[in-house]
Amino acid sequence: QKEVEQDPGPLSVPEGAIVSLNCTYSNSAFQYFMWYRQYSRKGPELLMYTYSSGNKEDGRFTAQVDKSSKYISLFIRDSQPSDSATYLCAMSASRQGAQKLVFGQGTRLTINP
Amino acid sequence: DSGVTQTPKHLITATGQRVTLRCSPRSGDLSVYWYQQSLDQGLQFLIQYYNGEERAKGNILERFSAQQFPDLHSELNLSSLELGDSALYFCASSVSLAQETQYFGPGTRLLVL
Repeated sequence: QKEVEQDPGPLSVPEGAIVSLNCTYSNSAFQYFMWYRQYSRKGPELLMYTYSSGNKEDGRFTAQVDKSSKYISLFIRDSQPSDSATYLCAMSASRQGAQKLVFGQGTRLTINP
Repeated sequence: DSGVTQTPKHLITATGQRVTLRCSPRSGDLSVYWYQQSLDQGLQFLIQYYNGEERAKGNILERFSAQQFPDLHSELNLSSLELGDSALYFCASSVSLAQETQYFGPGTRLLVL
């Protein structure tokens, strides 16, 4: 079983919908949680970074961490066609140490106009 | 544009061959990371250099090696290539060792025939 599980999709929703992307994990030591967005033929770019449990909001994006359930989510409100991309979750027990950062498989999202 | 450059963008080669991938970090970034992204394994950390020295190793095969030069650019050398080495190879750079500060390059797509 992988340390981080992420539904690869694909997920297709109409423009304006609320999108929910999720990851589950098994390592209770994880404290640092990230969401990356990756457009086709591009490198991943950091969208959201959270530490420990709770919510974090940035514009149309909200990241939630529920450590008791070992479950993290990314919500996208008022989704736009430009949000069509692959979304990767990533997490780590330590803020440093690239080798300790574990990525999910990525969920491919398409927003239909 | 993240400011991280990678060359070449695409590479097609045959099994058994050796290739070199090049990465130039963002101006001022001392740390360089190499990742491999494949459909079955997802994004996997390979190796990290900080100011010319190897800092961390991940799932890097013995056939692969890397180095960071005094001007801080880095090269990833892949030898005795196998079909399974076909993947996207990303370089990322950061100014510190904190994971959330990584900026990814556009990647090199390697196809081994």
